[in-house]
Amino acid sequence: QQPVQSPQAVILREGEDAVINCSSSKALYSVHWYRQKHGEAPVFLMILLKGGEQKGHDKISASFNEKKQQSSLYLTASQLSYSGTYFCGTEMDSGNTPLVFGKGTRLSVIA
Amino acid sequence: SAVISQKPSRDICQRGTSLTIQCQVDSQVTMMFWYRQQPGQSLTLIATANQGSEATYESGFVIDKFPISRPNLTFSTLTVSNMSPEDSSIYLCSVEGLGLAGPYNEQFFGPGTRLTVL
Repeated sequence: QQPVQSPQAVILREGEDAVINCSSSKALYSVHWYRQKHGEAPVFLMILLKGGEQKGHDKISASFNEKKQQSSLYLTASQLSYSGTYFCGTEMDSGNTPLVFGKGTRLSVIA
Repeated sequence: SAVISQKPSRDICQRGTSLTIQCQVDSQVTMMFWYRQQPGQSLTLIATANQGSEATYESGFVIDKFPISRPNLTFSTLTVSNMSPEDSSIYLCSVEGLGLAGPYNEQFFGPGTRLTVL
């Protein structure tokens, strides 16, 4: 079951904040967030586990709401380097199962 | 994190031919996967490469079209057979392992192989 990401695309000015959401109709074990720049492979950002805490590094953080089966990625004080397509990958069983990815959110940060 | 290499990085092939893509990881990993990504699209899982046994294919993908080998815990190949222009895509190898970059199962991607079929 493919998770649903929103918004599909967003344009920000440097310094602005953004939130990207990832929702599933099925119960999730974990949510993984990736950023992909044009022509490059997806790069792992962070993993959120069922029952886990909100994660974050630098000005990018994420949360996982088990009741809603939704994860949100928060980008604070965006930088030009944040531009790219963000994908969430979801896992329904614990371990050893491949991720199912959403359609992605294209983020453009402009000066 | 694991270092994953893929060969070739890109290729242009003629319709009806086959191409084998190699994926090499610098450490032993439990799980290896093959994904396809068409331009501007999401990542679609083709199959899970199982060490020592037949790969597990997702709906819409069959062994005759995408044969996969995984002879050991660090290497896998994906062959795209009897290619048509619809097979033009980026093919990505991905690995999952406990503790590659933390205490949880994390999944990392190789650089991808960009395939164009004429």
